[in-house]
Amino acid sequence: EDQVTQSPEALRLQEGESSSLNCSYTVSGLRGLFWYRQDPGKGPEFLFTLYSAGEEKEKERLKATLTKKESFLHITAPKPEDSATYLCAVQASNDYKLSFGAGTTVTVRA
Amino acid sequence: DAGVIQSPRHEVTEMGQEVTLRCKPISGHNSLFWYRQTMMRGLELLIYFNNNVPIDDSGMPEDRFSAKMPNASFSTLKIQPSEPRDSAVYFCASSSGPWEQYFGPGTRLTVT
Repeated sequence: EDQVTQSPEALRLQEGESSSLNCSYTVSGLRGLFWYRQDPGKGPEFLFTLYSAGEEKEKERLKATLTKKESFLHITAPKPEDSATYLCAVQASNDYKLSFGAGTTVTVRA
Repeated sequence: DAGVIQSPRHEVTEMGQEVTLRCKPISGHNSLFWYRQTMMRGLELLIYFNNNVPIDDSGMPEDRFSAKMPNASFSTLKIQPSEPRDSAVYFCASSSGPWEQYFGPGTRLTVT
């Protein structure tokens, strides 16, 4: 069974204080690792897909990286609007479904 | 472009009543997924369809839950009879294959 573990559960940052979120996974043949952002009362919003170890993707202040066992989401110089829950999910190569982690809730104070 | 549309956005019902949640996927997407999110269990897949055919319903909790996709632009998730432990946020998502899924705004279900 696919397993996804995210850490830390919660992260409080000062505006401009860079940090990283971790997503550790086990899956029988990885097709893709997905990062989503979820704001309170809304559905998850797609951010990135990573397909192979060594791959990196960036969007504004966010950068996602992938190894064979884990992924990191780096937040550089965060702003209050980056406050959200960040979800990681994996997809096996023989399937369409996503298995999600519990998420990391990021709070950025001005 | 319209995203995934879900209705109702909020549903409050009494235990034992039938509940029907509705979803309209993004036009052109051929895969549709139903998820449930709770504080205790996080986001978990209930069932998904490819080309209107149910592929994996192993996440459906029990026989009280059923889902249909009569055509490419509409799906329903039905709970009959509902129980307080069914209270959660139910999300519908769609994709154009085994790629990123796009989520709707969710339906918050409260069963009293």
